Amino acid sequence: QSALTQPRSVSGSPGQSVTISCTGTSRDVGNYNHVSWYQQHPGKAPKLIISDVNKRPSGVPDRFSGSKSVNTASLTISGLQAEDEADYYCCSYAGNYLVVFGGGTQVTVL
Amino acid sequence: QITLKESGPTLVKPTQTLTLTCTFSGFSFTTTGVGVGWIRQPPGKALEWLAVIHWTDDKRYNPSLKSRLTITKDTSKDQVVLTMTNMDPVDTGTYHCAHRPHWDKPFDSWGQGTLVTVSA
Repeated sequence: QSALTQPRSVSGSPGQSVTISCTGTSRDVGNYNHVSWYQQHPGKAPKLIISDVNKRPSGVPDRFSGSKSVNTASLTISGLQAEDEADYYCCSYAGNYLVVFGGGTQVTVL
Repeated sequence: QITLKESGPTLVKPTQTLTLTCTFSGFSFTTTGVGVGWIRQPPGKALEWLAVIHWTDDKRYNPSLKSRLTITKDTSKDQVVLTMTNMDPVDTGTYHCAHRPHWDKPFDSWGQGTLVTVSA
């Protein structure tokens, strides 16, 4: 069970869109539509922003969207805002009730 | 409203056993499908899933740490306990517990976490 692969960092100017990739295998991301995304600000607990590939929990702005193709899931932040500067983690169900997280991506708003 | 809070020692010595308690409210293990998991994060590093226990008392562990971990629940106290044996300085980090509404759902509510430092 290896960690999912994410880029270390991405950046964009306010109003722009950024996309974070999350690459797994056919044993996790590719085999289940149970990919979630978390946002974590410094010193805070992670916050769930996307579940089941593309579902937004109540209260999460619609500028956050998710998708998946084969073994890679993606999180897109449209209309980037200053408060979106944070670390983002993907997470996938890996069968047998196990889960695996990605290595995290730091989003910087220029 | 679901809340979770972790408690335990802030400092442990190498080779010692760590015992952490997660005390929660707003849900119960009498609810079908519910689970509570533990996730840790070394300083400046990524999240790592450790273990989860479900309403049926089914327990699952991160395969790479399975030999060192034990997770239990006390339904009457609304608590989950995680023990990790043979602690090492690389185990230093913030340990979070989190609520999982169902086996195929993500952890949707998290505790603030507790920082554990492993040092002689």
